Amino acid sequence: EVQLVQSGAEVKKPGESLKISCKGSGYSFTSYWIGWVRQMPGKGLEWMGIIYPGDSDTRYSPSFQGQVTISIDRSISTAYLQWSSLKASDTAMYYCARRRDGYNFRYFDLWGRGTLVTVSS
Amino acid sequence: QSVLTQPPSVSAAPGQKVTISCSGSSSNIGNNYVSWYQQLPGTAPKLLIYDNNKRPSGIPDRFSGSRSGTSATLGITGLQTGDEADYYCGTWDSSLSAGEVFGGGTKLTVL
Repeated sequence: EVQLVQSGAEVKKPGESLKISCKGSGYSFTSYWIGWVRQMPGKGLEWMGIIYPGDSDTRYSPSFQGQVTISIDRSISTAYLQWSSLKASDTAMYYCARRRDGYNFRYFDLWGRGTLVTVSS
Repeated sequence: QSVLTQPPSVSAAPGQKVTISCSGSSSNIGNNYVSWYQQLPGTAPKLLIYDNNKRPSGIPDRFSGSRSGTSATLGITGLQTGDEADYYCGTWDSSLSAGEVFGGGTKLTVL
């Protein structure tokens, strides 16, 4: 089955670090970009950044540049999103999604179920 | 403030038709294909429309998409209570801060 499986919910304190994961299966993991999308409570979708597993090429939204790090482990078909020092405002649902793209089209055709991150003292 | 503008909410009765608009600019919708996503309550987004008007396998033809200039529209006919969800448009923005952009989302209520 083609799917993205995300790691489980996390509860952290401000200032702590965190790394969440997204494992792809059922398709050629290195052939498609993997993006991360944030959804704060009751809010819309925000693109955070994207990585190409084939060569680890990574792009960030200006809003998230320097705030998070996206990485990959090709050997286990897994993408990661990490924080070095969490803030309460990082409380959100985080989705990974596979991107299909071409010259002037890009869309996310496969989504993980999301990882809920709660940051509270 | 989202780059793409959608109405916060729309509503219609079961069996009726509804449209959801998505307004952008020349750096995004004007020059790139649009996709639409459905997010049912408590679930992850799901691709509904891609390349402006194409439906992935399994998406019924009650759902349609179109693009004109710097705007796009999602249409849903024969509304069902199961269509109650948040709908998001998305595309690529090729401005200096290039990247994926989404609309703010539209909540569809089937009365």
